[in-house]
Amino acid sequence: QLQLQESGPGLVKPSETLSLTCTVSGGSISSSSYYWGWIRQPPGKGLEWLGYIYYSGTSSYTPSLKSRVTISQDTSKNHFSLKLSSVTAADTAVYYCARYYGNAFDMWGQGTMVTVSS
Amino acid sequence: SYEVTQPPSVSVSPGQTATISCSGDKLGDKFTSWYQQKPGQSPVLVIYQDKKRPSGIPERFSGSNSGNTATLTISGTQAMDEADYYCQAWDSNTVVFGGGTRLTVL
Repeated sequence: QLQLQESGPGLVKPSETLSLTCTVSGGSISSSSYYWGWIRQPPGKGLEWLGYIYYSGTSSYTPSLKSRVTISQDTSKNHFSLKLSSVTAADTAVYYCARYYGNAFDMWGQGTMVTVSS
Repeated sequence: SYEVTQPPSVSVSPGQTATISCSGDKLGDKFTSWYQQKPGQSPVLVIYQDKKRPSGIPERFSGSNSGNTATLTISGTQAMDEADYYCQAWDSNTVVFGGGTRLTVL
């Protein structure tokens, strides 16, 4: 049974870089046909797609954050990562990792809350 | 960039049919998915590729997509269906979510 688990600091200072990792168990991120993505949800607001990475290593990002977002993968550790640079309070949110397959996010992590504050 | 729009809220009486719409330019030409999210929980996929139900999702959940509008229909709505619902589409290698619809069962 596939499981995804986000990890990383829960508090990040303004202007610094937010870094999160999603560890996948019960399946390989190197499997073809799957994308591995990041979605966030500010408190009391809706879902926002940040980007995803294909098993081959190619990635795509939401246009509004493209200059600040990087998604990478480490197949040896079976995990993929998110970096969001120059954060502000507006980046405070629950960050989810998820698997994208068949035009949908079919498996989600439990989410991790990240607060941007000095 | 592509956008999809949902009504902020929908209300339904128990046992009745709830319909939640998702609108976007030529949305019917794209696949739409729907997610249910209850407070404090991760979203759960309830419909993908317009009308397919993942394993474990009750048959009362159904979807359709034509023209500029995709629709999530919940037949015989139960109290447990009260949640936020999000539509999602894909366009030009980007994923877009609707703003979400709060379904109230009263």
